[in-house]
Amino acid sequence: SQTIHQWPATLVQPVGSPLSLECTVEGTSNPNLYWYRQAAGRGLQLLFYSVGIGQISSEVPQNLSASRPQDRQFILSSKKLLLSDSGFYLCAWSVGLTSGNTIYFGEGSWLTVV
Amino acid sequence: GENVEQHPSTLSVQEGDSAVIKCTYSDSASNYFPWYKQELGKRPQLIIDIRSNVGEKKDQRIAVTLNKTAKHFSLHITETQPEDSAVYFCAASLLAGTYKYIFGTGTRLKVLA
Repeated sequence: SQTIHQWPATLVQPVGSPLSLECTVEGTSNPNLYWYRQAAGRGLQLLFYSVGIGQISSEVPQNLSASRPQDRQFILSSKKLLLSDSGFYLCAWSVGLTSGNTIYFGEGSWLTVV
Repeated sequence: GENVEQHPSTLSVQEGDSAVIKCTYSDSASNYFPWYKQELGKRPQLIIDIRSNVGEKKDQRIAVTLNKTAKHFSLHITETQPEDSAVYFCAASLLAGTYKYIFGTGTRLKVLA
């Protein structure tokens, strides 16, 4: 069966520091991968999605970036964090060459920028 | 741009009553509509979904209806229980080939015992 792992689970970072969140999917090949952000008490904002290695689509211009160095690995990064980057970050995956396939979420990473 | 509107933002019901959450989407090419339940501090979990070739789907106490003409879909929970209390999100897939899913803003459901 497929599983998704995301880490770290929680982190507290000072403003201006770098960020790296990592996500891996097991049990499937060539998944579509996503990064969503959820601010406290708010909805799910799509940040990036990827349909293959090295293929990244950005949804929101900001100081975050994403990379996909391997088929089942997705990394969210920032060179300098802002206070507004605080939130709950969720990695997710789906499979299939068409839209309309279920998205499954990782456990999430709580980021607090202080 | 693509958008999914969800109402209400909060909903309180008495235990045993029904709850209905409604969503409207803007992209007429959307063909897949999942619903997620998110408990406090946890990841969203899929509870039910519906595809555009179906008008209604039911799974025990949960049902989803879809009106493609009006571009809206609804989640129905019957015989609500305290453990149904959570935040519920609707979502819609976008144009085929983009692999994007846009989520509604969420509904906080409180089931009062």
